Amino acid sequence: ETGVTQTPRHLVMGMTNKKSLKCEQHLGHNAMYWYKQSAKKPLELMFVYSLEERVENNSVPSRFSPECPNSSHLFLHLHTLQPEDSALYLCASSQEAAYSNQPQHFGDGTRLSIL
Amino acid sequence: TQLLEQSPQFLSIQEGENLTVYCNSSSVFSSLQWYRQEPGEGPVLLVTVVTGGEVKKLKRLTFQFGDARKDSSLHITAAQPGDTGLYLCAGRPSGGSYIPTFGRGTSLIVHP
Repeated sequence: ETGVTQTPRHLVMGMTNKKSLKCEQHLGHNAMYWYKQSAKKPLELMFVYSLEERVENNSVPSRFSPECPNSSHLFLHLHTLQPEDSALYLCASSQEAAYSNQPQHFGDGTRLSIL
Repeated sequence: TQLLEQSPQFLSIQEGENLTVYCNSSSVFSSLQWYRQEPGEGPVLLVTVVTGGEVKKLKRLTFQFGDARKDSSLHITAAQPGDTGLYLCAGRPSGGSYIPTFGRGTSLIVHP
């Protein structure tokens, strides 16, 4: 039981498709995050939500659109993606966003491939 | 520029050997975390260090936070195949930023 569940685990889509990634956390945390993990690059923070409000948007292209309907669920809506968007997308949660000591609990990610 | 530099990038060793991986920065961190990520899974937290000079032990793993809180090391004694994975360090620079920073990671393979 990781506490953070991501679906789907794998996704293959064309550049014109619209799809959504889903993340659910069962830990009672108030902060949720989206990261992109590409080969040979550090984890790239995309979005941070604290108590369902977006507190950080790290210069992410508009073809990625996050949604946080409540503190347990986080979505990443995808539209008109590019081949360079192929990567592992990780969701994480933490008790609070603002405190530096808070560890993050990660899901197992969605492996996204853009054709 | 990479805020957190991890070295080495790759490490391939035999079971029973000792190893040390490093996480360095020119910035001061209020805390630093180490994670291990196995293939097909997300990173899992190993330890958080918060005090300069702090040493924490987790079985055969020893973590140290530098006195100036700019660097950290992870030492593994008598490595086992189960230690194989990507080791990531992460921290938030002092100043209360929401943005956690990750290093590129050290990919470790321990051969039986």
